[in-house]
Amino acid sequence: QQPVQSPQAVILREGEDAVINCSSSKALYSVHWYRQKHGEAPVFLMILLKGGEQKGHEKISASFNEKKQQSSLYLTASQLSYSGTYFCGTELSGTSYGKLTFGQGTILTVHP
Amino acid sequence: SQTIHQWPATLVQPVGSPLSLECTVEGTSNPNLYWYRQAAGRGLQLLFYSVGIGQISSEVPQNLSASRPQDRQFILSSKKLLLSDSGFYLCAWSVNEGQPQHFGDGTRLSIL
Repeated sequence: QQPVQSPQAVILREGEDAVINCSSSKALYSVHWYRQKHGEAPVFLMILLKGGEQKGHEKISASFNEKKQQSSLYLTASQLSYSGTYFCGTELSGTSYGKLTFGQGTILTVHP
Repeated sequence: SQTIHQWPATLVQPVGSPLSLECTVEGTSNPNLYWYRQAAGRGLQLLFYSVGIGQISSEVPQNLSASRPQDRQFILSSKKLLLSDSGFYLCAWSVNEGQPQHFGDGTRLSIL
């Protein structure tokens, strides 16, 4: 039931791009993306709803393929501040009460 | 604006001792509330959620319990801590399903 994230880890140089994928075997109502810095709480990045549009702000955007129950997070022209662990959280269709099941995380490291 | 407070930030407890972690939300009414646990280097596991005062749902069988005595207060408890209860405990809130979850700063719990 846990969504599967790939890759497990990514190493970038500043200015490079990255894509993080999240895949579920269940029918999803929404996909949430969070970034967590070491020792801190996760910070909300964006949410994609079933039937919604691709979301984005600044150089981080995401998409949700409802047919495949897959979401991708796109980070372009990466900055040092993008380093951290990225989690997707999936919310199932039906009465979910907003419960999220999180993937195992993708560790992103950006070097100067 | 809405804020979430969680305390204490760090806690060291002996095996067999009781536990009480508190979380409060300000600036909103009737939020959905969630308790997560994160083991070192792992993803977030949903422990409990609540959609209203006195309404608690448990996601996994464990040594912990939760209560919601007031609309914006969520408490995580244990009568006797086990070594396996160590971890990073996070409280979160959301307005409703399909809405972002926002996390408190977390409590790092170490059991000796």
